[in-house]
This record gives sequence, C-alpha cells and structure tokens, in this order.
Amino acid sequence: AQSVTQLGSHVSVSEGALVLLRCNYSSSVPPYLFWYVQYPNQGLQLLLKYTTGATLVKGINGFEAEFKKSETSFHLTKPSAHMSDAAEYFCAVSGPGNDMRFGAGTRLTVKP
Amino acid sequence: GAVVSQHPSRVICKSGTSVKIECRSLDFQATTMFWYRQFPKQSLMLMATSNEGSKATYEQGVEKDKFLINHASLTLSTLTVTSAHPEDSSFYICSARDRGRSNTEAFFGQGTRLTVV
Repeated sequence: AQSVTQLGSHVSVSEGALVLLRCNYSSSVPPYLFWYVQYPNQGLQLLLKYTTGATLVKGINGFEAEFKKSETSFHLTKPSAHMSDAAEYFCAVSGPGNDMRFGAGTRLTVKP
Repeated sequence: GAVVSQHPSRVICKSGTSVKIECRSLDFQATTMFWYRQFPKQSLMLMATSNEGSKATYEQGVEKDKFLINHASLTLSTLTVTSAHPEDSSFYICSARDRGRSNTEAFFGQGTRLTVV
C-alpha cells in the first residue's frame, strides 16, 4: 500500500520568501512521486514528478523537489514566492501502473 | 498534448435525479481512468478505477450502484450519480493514463462541481 503525508495544512510566506512544502511517503515498491497545484474550482496541474534517475527534480514555475529515500521525503521548494503561487498543493504517490494516492493538501498563502 | 476534458464543469440537479459526468482523453488513448471525489478544503479521494471494456474497480466504501462507471471506449469514461442526494454534492475529478507513454503520470480533467438541491 502507498500513502503520503503532507506536514502542515496551511503554510504562509511573504512574497519573495522561500517556499517549503513537506511531503513524506510510504511505499512498498519504488515510488513515483508527484506534486500538483490546484486553483479554486479547477483540476490539478502537474508541477513536477520523480520516477527514476536524478533525485533533484525541477518543475514549472520555479518549483523543485528532492527525492530522499533515506528520509522517505519529497519536499517541494521554491526560492522566492510570488503572489500567483497562492493555491492548494498536493503531493501524490503511485507505483508503476497503479492508481495515484494523494496527501491531504497544503494551502499556500503568500503575503504581500 | 495529453488533454483530459471533463464535462460539465458545473451542474445543479434536484434530489432524486441522476447526473452523468463525462471524462474524455482528447489526444491520447486511455486504457485506465480514475474517478476522484473532493470535499471542500480536503484532498482527492479515489472512488474507482475504470478500465476500458471491463467493470470498474471501486474503493472500499464507495457504492457501486450509486456511482455507475462506464468506460466504453479508449477515450471516454462516464460517471453517473444515480438518485442524487444533497450529501452527494461535491467536486468530482477524473484522470487518465496515456497508454502510449510510460505509465508514470495521470492527466487530470478540470473537475465537475455537483450541487444537489
């Protein structure tokens, strides 16, 4: 069985500050890990994903995440927050060919 | 590429009626589609996995007779909420895997906001 835990249901940062959203996973097989962003009343947009290879993954809009097997973590970061980054962020895990399981989500607020 | 279209985006129906939601992969073939339900300020909960040409696999606690899933072609899956009640009001999202790509990513529809009055 696979699952993810997102630490912190709500994160608030100032514009220009570092964004750090935490995600820990549990998986009995090598995991595929994803970060999605959701704006109100919309579907999910993929930010980045890790499958195999390089453990530091760069995504869209300046986001990146690092897969750390020893810590079972896949935290999402962005060096400098922008107002447009305010949204709900979901971490997800799947195995090859399996369905995707989502974390509870983290709401990011960016203060001017 | 890899666009999933979900229709309608919003629907309001009367209690006791049925509502059909469509999920289409526009530019790829999807052997597997997934249906999720999302309550306000909560995460996506997988309801069922839909495989083309076979019966859907439902998650524990999801009523298969209430949430009818049909995956009749490689580009279309439908979710029908039968005899809808106010507690069925929610945001429903589908996703699809592209069978032509490595099986690592699912593409999501825009979601359907269902309100039962």
